[in-house]
Amino acid sequence: ETGVTQTPRHLVMGMTNKKSLKCEQHLGHNAMYWYKQSAKKPLELMFVYNFKEQTENNSVPSRFSPECPNSSHLFLHLHTLQPEDSALYLCASSQEWRVNQPQHFGDGTRLSIL
Amino acid sequence: DAKTTQPNSMESNEEEPVHLPCNHSTISGTDYIHWYRQLPSQGPEYVIHGLTSNVNNRMASLAIAEDRKSSTLILHRATLRDAAVYYCILRFNKLTFGGGTRVLVKP
Repeated sequence: ETGVTQTPRHLVMGMTNKKSLKCEQHLGHNAMYWYKQSAKKPLELMFVYNFKEQTENNSVPSRFSPECPNSSHLFLHLHTLQPEDSALYLCASSQEWRVNQPQHFGDGTRLSIL
Repeated sequence: DAKTTQPNSMESNEEEPVHLPCNHSTISGTDYIHWYRQLPSQGPEYVIHGLTSNVNNRMASLAIAEDRKSSTLILHRATLRDAAVYYCILRFNKLTFGGGTRVLVKP
């Protein structure tokens, strides 16, 4: 139990569907992150939220839309995805967005695009 | 951004120490060295981090070279549960994990 919960654990969707990934942390942290991990690439940072404000967008396509309504919840809204977007999507949190802050990861959502 | 270089894989016997090297010759003075590991079907797990001095915690030890261009993660007594991919990472605020080292532990 890492204190970071992601739902759903698995998701299969077509390219025209709209779905959302949810992340919730119970650690009292103020920074939350979305990462993508695919079979062919190492773990990649996608978005960073610090105190509910987006501080990093790592050149992510607009078909991925993050939302952070409060410091405990983070969503990733998906629409019109491509087959190459099939991957493991990981959420993480840390006390604040600083270089020496350890991050706590959820176990991810395995996304498959048909 | 500073990059890290790690061996692709290492094998160890159970109950023996494991030394995992990481080269980071372009590290800057403010970069912390972080280590994470990822077990199968799980998200990455924080192991240890340091800046200049060697660090110890209940999971592992981190030995940092004097010039900071390399570091070594030490698992003192490997168990089967330590079989994972170990990532050496710099600059956490713009983090990109490398390929990591896959550690195999033989009983």
